[in-house]
Amino acid sequence: SSELTQDPAVSVALGQTVRITCQGNSLRSYYASWYQQKPGQAPVLVIYGKNNRPSGIPDRFSGSSSGNTASLTITEAQAEDEADYYCNSRDSGDIVFGGGTKLTVL
Amino acid sequence: QVQLVQSGAEVKKPGASVKVSCKASGYTFTTYAIHWVRQAPGQRLEWMGWINPRNGNTKFSQKFQGRVTITRDTSASTASMELSSLRSEDTAVYFCAREGCNSVSCQHDYWGQGTLVTVSS
Repeated sequence: SSELTQDPAVSVALGQTVRITCQGNSLRSYYASWYQQKPGQAPVLVIYGKNNRPSGIPDRFSGSSSGNTASLTITEAQAEDEADYYCNSRDSGDIVFGGGTKLTVL
Repeated sequence: QVQLVQSGAEVKKPGASVKVSCKASGYTFTTYAIHWVRQAPGQRLEWMGWINPRNGNTKFSQKFQGRVTITRDTSASTASMELSSLRSEDTAVYFCAREGCNSVSCQHDYWGQGTLVTVSS
């Protein structure tokens, strides 16, 4: 199966905008989903499909996609957004996850 | 509300098997696939496989083929994952996750709380 590549770590100043990217061949055929994971907790879905947010996810989270790259954008980042973020997508019948991006809010 | 509640932590010796269960509530169990994902300490999420609770069909990651079994009990709204021939590298938190789909995408919309499996002699 193919892989999804994410930057290992990204930082953002409080209140600023940050983009987290995910690259892989499977993204040319399938949408990425994005998950937020805080230490010791299960992942939480934050973005799916073209740019959809589950109920309860703040509208400062948004998603986009172009070619083989999917992006998660957090506008006006808050302290509580500090977490690991994972993308995933289908790859034929399998599921593939990115390596995760650790977001630090300064 | 949708909930996935997993069984408790396990400690196993190398070579043994472990079975983790995932009890679903708040929705019709047979309507959504259940996936299993694991996370070794400090590592990425790793997909293991999934089951269609309606018919019991399964698909596994090639990495775990032959070592993992996923079953379901529709009367109990429970999916289970059994991993055999355990080795130290299998020490991880194991998650179940429901797969919700719309017309254009599928995603893991609800997750269990995770089950720590420790493999140690």
